[in-house]
Amino acid sequence: QVQLVQSGAEVKKPGASVKVSCKASGYTFTSYAMHWVRQGPGQRLEWMGWINTGNGDTKYSQKLQGRVTITRDTSASTVYMELSSLRSEETAVYYCARNIVGTKVFDHWGQGTLVIVSS
Amino acid sequence: QSVLTQPPSTSGTPGQRVTISCSGSSSNIGSNTVNWYQQVPGTAPKLLIYTNNQRPSGVPDRFSASKSGTSASLAISGLQSEDEADYYCATWDDSLNDVVFGGGTKLTVL
Repeated sequence: QVQLVQSGAEVKKPGASVKVSCKASGYTFTSYAMHWVRQGPGQRLEWMGWINTGNGDTKYSQKLQGRVTITRDTSASTVYMELSSLRSEETAVYYCARNIVGTKVFDHWGQGTLVIVSS
Repeated sequence: QSVLTQPPSTSGTPGQRVTISCSGSSSNIGSNTVNWYQQVPGTAPKLLIYTNNQRPSGVPDRFSASKSGTSASLAISGLQSEDEADYYCATWDDSLNDVVFGGGTKLTVL
């Protein structure tokens, strides 16, 4: 079965960077794109960007452009999301989500990674 | 402030039918398909409805959705206690070039 397993919780200081991983299994990794979505405490879901796991092409939200980088390691079936210059208001749960081909539909989600930004 | 507007909360009793609205604009709902996600607090979202009105396998037919113009709605009939969750609409926005989510609607089963 499809599984997306994310790395563990992180605590970072303001201004630092965080890198979260998402390991996929149960399907052909390069046949599906992967997106990242975050959710602050009591907040709505916020889309961050996505990667074409086949060719590595990426697209990021306008809000985070320049601070977020999504990469993949096809040999490890893993996608990474790195966010730099962290701010306290970016304390959130970060999710990876698999994309149904040709759509922006997220059919499977990782369990989420809590990132706490605090001095 | 969300690009897509949903009521913050709604409620119903077991067996009732409830609807959740999602209002957008011509650049998002008006020109793209809508998806709905269910999120039980403390867990990851789950795909509930895709492409306006399609149910993934395993989603009961008590859940249905529709889209008209720049609005969409999710209906849940035969309400059950396990339906208590947050519900989010989502679509692509052609102006922002981003996936956009509604603010979420908290459904309480009384």
